[in-house]
Amino acid sequence: EVQLVESGGGLIQPGGSLRLSCAASGFTVSSNYMSWVRQAPGKGLEWVSVIYSGGSTYYADSVKGRFTISRDNSKNTLYLQMNSLRAEDTAVYYCARVTHDCSGGSCYFRTDPWGQGTLVTVSS
Amino acid sequence: DIQMTQSPSSLSASVGDRVTITCRASQSISSYLNWYQQKPGKAPKLLIYAASSLQSGVPSRFSGSGSGTDFTLTISSLQPEDFATYYCQQSYSTPWITFGQGTRLEIK
Repeated sequence: EVQLVESGGGLIQPGGSLRLSCAASGFTVSSNYMSWVRQAPGKGLEWVSVIYSGGSTYYADSVKGRFTISRDNSKNTLYLQMNSLRAEDTAVYYCARVTHDCSGGSCYFRTDPWGQGTLVTVSS
Repeated sequence: DIQMTQSPSSLSASVGDRVTITCRASQSISSYLNWYQQKPGKAPKLLIYAASSLQSGVPSRFSGSGSGTDFTLTISSLQPEDFATYYCQQSYSTPWITFGQGTRLEIK
């Protein structure tokens, strides 16, 4: 069974750092595109970052320069290192696999499955 | 950034109703459109990808259509377990994907 389990969330003061983990089972993290998506309390979904199978990384402007996505192939685990945290970073953070189908030169990406999420609260 | 706008923001309906949710992109995104369902306290679940392809395991009462800028998610006959929030998401500008603001489907 394909499964993602996040951990590492908690209460952190503004300016602090936190590292989220996402342990995968049923598939190989390094062979897939892996993403982080967050959801502020009572709000919608916001894409945060992605790491491609080849190692390329991309970030939303709102976190660029503060967050770093990475993976440990030996542990089949995805990470999100979050530095210089702000109140507006308060959210449930989901990790997810990004899969795609390509035909006729077009590739259609989709996010599935998602982990259960881990709550990060930035407050003094 | 490509902006995704869903309508309505909330919707009340009864079991057995046919329901349609609309998603509009700020520019043409061809068929690079996915739909997700999210229940309270749970992670989103993929329903439809590439505008009209049904994800494995998703009931056939869910369907998607559209291309370019205008898309719809239709539930042919609402079931009690379908009351949730639905999000559209464009993958045209991958990796910089964006989501709609969500449509909350409530029991009438």
